[in-house]
Amino acid sequence: DTAVSQTPKYLVTQMGNDKSIKCEQNLGHDTMYWYKQDSKKFLKIMFSYNNKELIINETVPNRFSPKSPDKAHLNLHINSLELGDSAVYFCASSQGEAPRRFFGPGTRLTVL
Amino acid sequence: GNSVTQMEGPVTLSEEAFLTINCTYTATGYPSLFWYVQYPGEGLQLLLKATKADDKGSNKGFEATYRKETTSFHLEKGSVQVSDSAVYFCALGNFGNEKLTFGTGTRLTIIP
Repeated sequence: DTAVSQTPKYLVTQMGNDKSIKCEQNLGHDTMYWYKQDSKKFLKIMFSYNNKELIINETVPNRFSPKSPDKAHLNLHINSLELGDSAVYFCASSQGEAPRRFFGPGTRLTVL
Repeated sequence: GNSVTQMEGPVTLSEEAFLTINCTYTATGYPSLFWYVQYPGEGLQLLLKATKADDKGSNKGFEATYRKETTSFHLEKGSVQVSDSAVYFCALGNFGNEKLTFGTGTRLTIIP
């Protein structure tokens, strides 16, 4: 059983388009995250939601908008895609105050 | 604030060699420490963790000891295999703090 799943796994699109990445977790966790991993493998937190409420919003362009319809889902919508948005985006979840993260398989976004 | 300094890679070793990947940290309070592993094309998986000073985390032949006096959590394995080729991330987090701080990752390649 997949604990944290993301769709799509690969996303190739043109500059200026709008796209969404979906994330679901079936672990019953109450906190979900989006991370961005660049080509050098550096991981950066983007957003964190706890029980559908935004907790962490790092310095991310406002073209990125997370949406959490319920505590099992956290989607990421990106407007007006730019070349620099090309990266692997990871969804993750955690429970309560425990620091351990459970990661999804990642979505590789390529902007042409 | 919290920070993690990780040995820069890439690291290339022959099969059955001894592995050490250094990780040092600065933190407030009493953080938990983690090693995550990312195999090619996959998301991050927890490899091992330690929650207090002098704890040793171990899994799949890997070990790391939480050393408060040297603020270190070095990853070791006595005899690496080709299947250990991956990127390894050191991380720390405090209970109640939404942020998990990652190191920059170390790419490990094992050659037969």
